[in-house]
Amino acid sequence: DGGITQSPKYLFRKEGQNVTLSCEQNLNHDAMYWYRQDPGQGLRLIYYSQIVNDFQKGDIAEGYSVSREKKESFPLTVTSAQKNPTAFYLCASSIAGGYVEQFFGPGTRLTVL
Amino acid sequence: GESVGLHLPTLSVQEGDNSIINCAYSNSASDYFIWYKQESGKGPQFIIDIRSNMDKRQGQRVTVLLNKTVKHLSLQIAATQPGDSAVYFCAENKVDSSYKLIFGSGTRLLVRP
Repeated sequence: DGGITQSPKYLFRKEGQNVTLSCEQNLNHDAMYWYRQDPGQGLRLIYYSQIVNDFQKGDIAEGYSVSREKKESFPLTVTSAQKNPTAFYLCASSIAGGYVEQFFGPGTRLTVL
Repeated sequence: GESVGLHLPTLSVQEGDNSIINCAYSNSASDYFIWYKQESGKGPQFIIDIRSNMDKRQGQRVTVLLNKTVKHLSLQIAATQPGDSAVYFCAENKVDSSYKLIFGSGTRLLVRP
């Protein structure tokens, strides 16, 4: 089956620790995205990548970092510089940048204690 | 960014009735307007999009209407079913160098049996 996988589904970390969220897709999509969702709110774009070895900051990139070394993988690191990291993180992909149909993974709920 | 509260606006409909979910958008220069559905604990799922030069587009049991004069977008769901219960987000996209989707805050649809 083709799709996007995110792991883990739930993640707990102590304040001050960096944590990396995994995102893998086997849809052969060029573009990948990371969004953050807070309770009762829409999605806000953290980072996006239109092609391997290239990525751009979204609207709320501070405190986050990404890499895109492989087409199928787009991991997100939540650093200790992110002041309020507890949230639901969603990874998505699209055939290419600019396609409005994005395919989302199941999400990772990060709780910082 | 958007300022939203913790409580989403909620639309409650009887199973079998038609539902109309509304959205006000802000950017007149957007090229596409899109509707996504998010079930509890899952990632959003693309429903339908409409290009800015169109007024109406129909899909399977859904119709999207775009009124550019008042910057209003609506999603109509015919013969609403229990499986339609979810949070619905409108989004807009301007096909430029950023390729970003800007999401609204969402509306919760509850279908009464």
